[in-house]
Amino acid sequence: SQQGEEDPQALSIQEGENATMNCSYKTSINNLQWYRQNSGRGLVHLILIRSNEREKHSGRLRVTLDTSKKSSSLLITASRAADTASYFCATDGGNAGNMLTFGGGTRLMVKP
Amino acid sequence: ETGVTQSPTHLIKTRGQQVTLRCSSQSGHNTVSWYQQALGQGPQFIFQYYREEENGRGNFPPRFSGLQFPNYSSELNVNALELDDSALYLCASSASSSSYNEQFFGPGTRLTVL
Repeated sequence: SQQGEEDPQALSIQEGENATMNCSYKTSINNLQWYRQNSGRGLVHLILIRSNEREKHSGRLRVTLDTSKKSSSLLITASRAADTASYFCATDGGNAGNMLTFGGGTRLMVKP
Repeated sequence: ETGVTQSPTHLIKTRGQQVTLRCSSQSGHNTVSWYQQALGQGPQFIFQYYREEENGRGNFPPRFSGLQFPNYSSELNVNALELDDSALYLCASSASSSSYNEQFFGPGTRLTVL
């Protein structure tokens, strides 16, 4: 079973626009990570935010975390066609095996 | 620095057969996790290996088994294949010394069970 859900499931925007994806989860976490996946290939690690952090930036990416609402958001600014991919959030609850629990993903399409 | 590699890239098997998938971890990483990703869904944790021992397991039956070798590479074995085992199998490596459990994924093996 999956920890939570990304919202929206699919998003289509024009190049240059910002894209915002949301992630909700159910249990307490040590950290939350965002990954990108192109066309059913391997996952690329984008950014990790710890449970005691509220916001983090990396290049055009901005991630927020609200542990009281058990939610996170990923903002991609000034999107490019190359950002077209599926984006997943994954939570690390610090449980045995350090398993990551993934949501169902947001499929982002950036039109040139 | 060498990234995570997986072999083979694609595999077609028939129901009831057995399959072995392989993963080489990223340089400096001693922990390997395996995930199953069905089409259109997020990855689901199968198990993790650390120091050649299983270090946690998700909700998968015993016919899913694994190994880790002294060089930290790993195998995933699936016996008595079922149609629902068709999926992308992802291997991820991480360093146990990392406080944050950043996992780095390989390109995956696409398994089709007919």
